Amino acid sequence: AQSVTQLGSHVSVSEGALVLLRCNYSSSVPPYLFWYVQYPNQGLQLLLKYTSAATLVKGINGFEAEFKKSETSFHLTKPSAHMSDAAEYFCAVRADTGRRALTFGSGTRLQVQP
Amino acid sequence: NAGVTQTPKFQVLKTGQSMTLQCAQDMNHNSMYWYRQDPGMGLRLIYYSASEGTTDKGEVPNGYNVSRLNKREFSLRLESAAPSQTSVYFCASTTVNSQETQYFGPGTRLLVL
Repeated sequence: AQSVTQLGSHVSVSEGALVLLRCNYSSSVPPYLFWYVQYPNQGLQLLLKYTSAATLVKGINGFEAEFKKSETSFHLTKPSAHMSDAAEYFCAVRADTGRRALTFGSGTRLQVQP
Repeated sequence: NAGVTQTPKFQVLKTGQSMTLQCAQDMNHNSMYWYRQDPGMGLRLIYYSASEGTTDKGEVPNGYNVSRLNKREFSLRLESAAPSQTSVYFCASTTVNSQETQYFGPGTRLLVL
């Protein structure tokens, strides 16, 4: 069965600093991996996804993530944080069954300090 | 294109009451899902429907039932609400052509007293 671990339930950075949100996964088949963002009182919005093409994936709002098979990781980065990046971020892996459901990590809340 | 819509946005129930959460999508997607979101636990799958006419249990199905009314609509019913069902409920949909991307509704916040 697949699983996702997000290290750090809260991350705080200064505006302009590097953002690094960590995600490790387990999957018995080549995974599809996703990062979603959730702003307060809103639904989830796709940031980026890895579907076995390029290992470095670029998403919206300047975010990117690198798939590292040897480390079973899919960490999310952004070179320079902006106040508007404050939100909760979820890493997810597609289930390795026919249902196509997602297994989510527990989430990381990103705070951006002025 | 409204995407995925959910009603109601917010609901308060007393223990033992029943209610149905509605979800509809206008993207012609085959698969639809119900998740619940609880603090520190991410989203967990309640039920899903791979296609019209089919439904199956997810990770946390106890206390819930679903109906895939047609291709567009997928409802979640709580027959006898319990405080443990206080949560935020999200509906999502996807199709093969979307490369597994799931599109989420805005959520229904449910409080069971």
